[in-house]
Amino acid sequence: VQLVESGGGLVKPGGSLRLSCAASGFTFSDSYMSWIRQAPGKGLEWISYISSGGSYSNYADSVKGRFTVSRDNAKNSVFLEMNSLRAEDTAVYYCARDRRGRLNYLDSWGQGTLVTVSS
Amino acid sequence: DIQMTQSPSSLSTSVGDRVTITCRASQNISTYLNWYQQKPGKSPDLLIYAASRLRSGVPSRFSGSGSGAVFTLAIGSLQAEDFAVYYCQQSFTTPFTFGPGTRLEIK
Repeated sequence: VQLVESGGGLVKPGGSLRLSCAASGFTFSDSYMSWIRQAPGKGLEWISYISSGGSYSNYADSVKGRFTVSRDNAKNSVFLEMNSLRAEDTAVYYCARDRRGRLNYLDSWGQGTLVTVSS
Repeated sequence: DIQMTQSPSSLSTSVGDRVTITCRASQNISTYLNWYQQKPGKSPDLLIYAASRLRSGVPSRFSGSGSGAVFTLAIGSLQAEDFAVYYCQQSFTTPFTFGPGTRLEIK
């Protein structure tokens, strides 16, 4: 299983950014995917998941209405569209395979991509 | 939202020691509790899921227990590679909140 995030960078407050996560080594279209972030020197914050087919998604209150998760199963990729970015969105963003069923857990994580929101 | 707490927040220990980390949820989460290990500069790794199920490939010195609202991660005979930050996470309901982490440091 391999997950590779990209798209991070420096953006001004109020700006937008689109993160991508390329997956390989497993049947992507069967898997839920989640995004988790980690502010510098801080703990982990789950922010969103998307179902295997893309029909269902859920967000943390801290990003609801500003972030949108989507996926392209033909390209084995999941995306996080981030709008109206704030300084407090500065973090390393990880995508993770989200195992669902009777048990729920994040069993594979990417290396992360850093988003810095600053003027 | 379900709040997760961990104790201690940090622990200074030695190779060979046995350590226990406690995670508490603000409500009953059955066994929807996972443990992750994060080493400096790396992404988190899943250690234990469903409170007590050891992920394949994780050394047997790691074990998890608990149900309801109180959980423990035990590491028997610490090895040098175990010094890291450990996070619990509830997967009972969204948002899937994490605990604040427990840092294991070398004494």
